[in-house]
Formats: sequence, structure tokens, C-alpha cells
Amino acid sequence: DAKTTQPTSMDCAEGRAANLPCNHSTISGNEYVYWYRQIHSQGPQYIIHGLKNNETNEMASLIITEDRKSSTLILPHATLRDTAVYYCIVRLRLTGGGNKLTFGTGTQLKVEL
Amino acid sequence: DAGVIQSPRHEVTEMGQEVTLRCKPISGHNSLFWYRQTMMRGLELLIYFNNNVPIDDSGMPEDRFSAKMPNASFSTLKIQPSEPRDSAVYFCASSLTGTETQYFGPGTRLLVL
Repeated sequence: DAKTTQPTSMDCAEGRAANLPCNHSTISGNEYVYWYRQIHSQGPQYIIHGLKNNETNEMASLIITEDRKSSTLILPHATLRDTAVYYCIVRLRLTGGGNKLTFGTGTQLKVEL
Repeated sequence: DAGVIQSPRHEVTEMGQEVTLRCKPISGHNSLFWYRQTMMRGLELLIYFNNNVPIDDSGMPEDRFSAKMPNASFSTLKIQPSEPRDSAVYFCASSLTGTETQYFGPGTRLLVL
């Protein structure tokens, strides 16, 4: 699976959009980009994933560049409860045998008043 | 849906003792994952099962660790004998093969004295 690079930490004001970048310059054509987050003392939580096109769900939007070498997770209106470590993961989508994830160090997002 | 259930939530034991962690996946999910999280090493995949069969146990640190999944609704991770360096948070996650979302349990916080 391709390696990802994320900033160690970011700050965001409550109510503003939080834009979390991820670099995955060695991504291959059939690898997906996944985002999970981990709120302190809890298990990781799935946010969103995509292959080529931009994706949006009730939690966030995922913007993938045309060359797919980087992506940005957008939390449109960050709240204090969005303070967490955000993990960007790139992996092959397996057709069978489970979907193994490799977590890096992630970005610690701190949302402040 | 109760989500992934793990027990115990906290475990304190002495070096040399046997430790058994338990996990009940979400009903209907056929993939189950055991992770370990420490400050030094982050979140690491230990082993995962698909349809109760171990698929990849390359993350299991050594022979002191063993995992079983006797049926679709129950899995155990056993450490025998335990050592202080095994102190960590152990997470169990489950998913439906072919889907992209892993659902994590609340974790078991293990302290080996």
C-alpha cells in the first residue's frame, strides 16, 4: 500500500471549515484513499473514502487531485467534538479476504472557540 | 445495533499472568480485526479473520500472542505469559467483506505490572 504524509497537527476555529491535507504521491491506479478519525480514548471511526472523484457524505467531503497524488478532507463547519486525530490511509480494495488498513501517525486536529 | 463489544474494558495484571481479551463483532459482519495501540508504535494490526479463518497474522508480535475465532460472533486474543511491554490499548474491529468501513470497539486498556 502507498505511503501517506500528513501534517502532525492543525488548529481550526469552531464554525470554520477544517481542511486536512494528505500526500500520497506513490499511489497506484487501483488504490483507494480512506479517512478515519480517532477521538481521544475511543476507537477509530470511519469518515469517508474515494478513488478518483470527489466524495461527500454527512460527515465530510473528500477532494482528490486529478493526478491523485494528494487529497484533502474537509469538515465544512468544525465543532469542538471534531477534535481528534485524523488518519489518511491508502490501500488496495481487496475483492475478498477482508480490508486490511495500515494506520500512520495522522494529524491531530484541535478545534478551538 | 450495539456495535462492536469488547471485554473487559480495563485489565490490570501482573507479569507472567495469562490475559484474555474478548470481542463480539457486529452481527452479520464476516471480517474481524485485532489492533494494538501504544504511544510509541501507534495503531498496529495484529491479526484479521475472514469468515472465522485467520487470513493474516503477520502483525502478531510473538508466540505469546494467540487469537481465535470459534464462531462468527466471538473472538479472543490471548497473551500468555504477559509482559509489561504488552501494556497498550487493544481494539477489535469488524466489517462486512466487500465494504470499506471497519467499525471499532471501545478498546481494552491493558496494564501489565
